[in-house]
Amino acid sequence: AQKVTQAQTEISVVEKEDVTLDCVYETRDTTYYLFWYKQPPSGELVFLIRRNSFDEQNEISGRYSWNFQKSTSSFNFTITASQVVDSAVYFCALSEWGSNNNDMRFGAGTRLTVKP
Amino acid sequence: EAQVTQNPRYLITVTGKKLTVTCSQNMNHEYMSWYRQDPGLGLRQIYYSMNVEVTDKGDVPEGYKVSRKEKRNFPLILESPSPNQTSLYFCASSSRLAGSTDTQYFGPGTRLTVL
Repeated sequence: AQKVTQAQTEISVVEKEDVTLDCVYETRDTTYYLFWYKQPPSGELVFLIRRNSFDEQNEISGRYSWNFQKSTSSFNFTITASQVVDSAVYFCALSEWGSNNNDMRFGAGTRLTVKP
Repeated sequence: EAQVTQNPRYLITVTGKKLTVTCSQNMNHEYMSWYRQDPGLGLRQIYYSMNVEVTDKGDVPEGYKVSRKEKRNFPLILESPSPNQTSLYFCASSSRLAGSTDTQYFGPGTRLTVL
């Protein structure tokens, strides 16, 4: 069964600090997809990244970077030089290629607060 | 503009009063689904639909119904709402199976309170 764990319930940092959000997943499939979504205070879910299980290259997009390590079943998300606008709940999610119900399994989320 | 819309965005109702939350997408997506979000639990899938007239249960389907008569619409029906269905609900759609080659796009959410 697929499972996603975000052990950090809440993180608080001061602006300009770097912060890493952890995500550990469990799956028996060899083909799967990992996602990160951002949920700002307004409540909508904003897609950030999708990564498939065959692509272990790290990705950088501006201040955001993702570290995918199959050996440790982790897909961690780092925000460099955090800003107040980064304050949100961040969800990691997993979708298995062979899943019968094609759903995305979400972690419980990490609430990030960036203080000025 | 490509989007998933949900209505209403906010709803307060009483136990037992039937309600429907509508979901519509304008991207011609085959796949649609409903999730509920609860504190500490993330999002959990309620129902999903692979295409018109094809629906199936997700992880937490009890107390909910859905229908898919048209490709663009996927309403969520609560025949007899109860307080434990107080939650934030999201509709999502994607062009194929979740995660296969496309990303699920989420609606803005519907905050439901059942008194």
